[in-house]
Amino acid sequence: NAGVTQTPKFQVLKTGQSMTLQCAQDMNHEYMSWYRQDPGMGLRLIHYSVGAGITDQGEVPNGYNVSRSTTEDFPLRLLSAAPSQTSVYFCASTSRALPRGYTFGSGTRLTVV
Amino acid sequence: RKEVEQDPGPFNVPEGATVAFNCTYSNSASQSFFWYRQDCRKEPKLLMSVYSSGNEDGRFTAQLNRASQYISLLIRDSKLSDSATYLCVVNSYGGATNKLIFGTGTLLAVQP
Repeated sequence: NAGVTQTPKFQVLKTGQSMTLQCAQDMNHEYMSWYRQDPGMGLRLIHYSVGAGITDQGEVPNGYNVSRSTTEDFPLRLLSAAPSQTSVYFCASTSRALPRGYTFGSGTRLTVV
Repeated sequence: RKEVEQDPGPFNVPEGATVAFNCTYSNSASQSFFWYRQDCRKEPKLLMSVYSSGNEDGRFTAQLNRASQYISLLIRDSKLSDSATYLCVVNSYGGATNKLIFGTGTLLAVQP
């Protein structure tokens, strides 16, 4: 089915470990974003991209890196995991053709111990 | 101050009730407005866009007041299946910018 695919769905990391959360979309969307969702905080924008090769920081970028080498993929890298990064991470995409709502992936639940 | 602020909730209403959610946004350059629905432990899903003239989709009516920077969502004849968190969302875009900013959400619980 077309949409946004995130992997893994669940992950437990030890403090200091690094990992990459994968996000892929097959809708040829130009815009992609990463959000984290914490209780009482809502969804907060980490990084976003308006096209291949173009990324920018959102509200909470520290501790995360992104790259956008292709239109389809937008991986999020945790450089050195910290317990404060325990959260649910959502990737989302939308088309530039019309300003419209984003389509979200099903999320990655990350626990850092 | 948060860029998007919503009613604190939770809202507990009986089936059949009418319920309204309000939202304010601080960035006057915001250009697109949406309501999303999020079920427990699921991803947000687009409920409806919000247009300046107001728009309706079945039992759901959305209103936008740009002068007051205010958005609302009205749900008529509430169903048990409407129980979810409703997220107010604004989008600022143009050039190299395209950012969705979310409110913290309002929890709706429809009681039988």
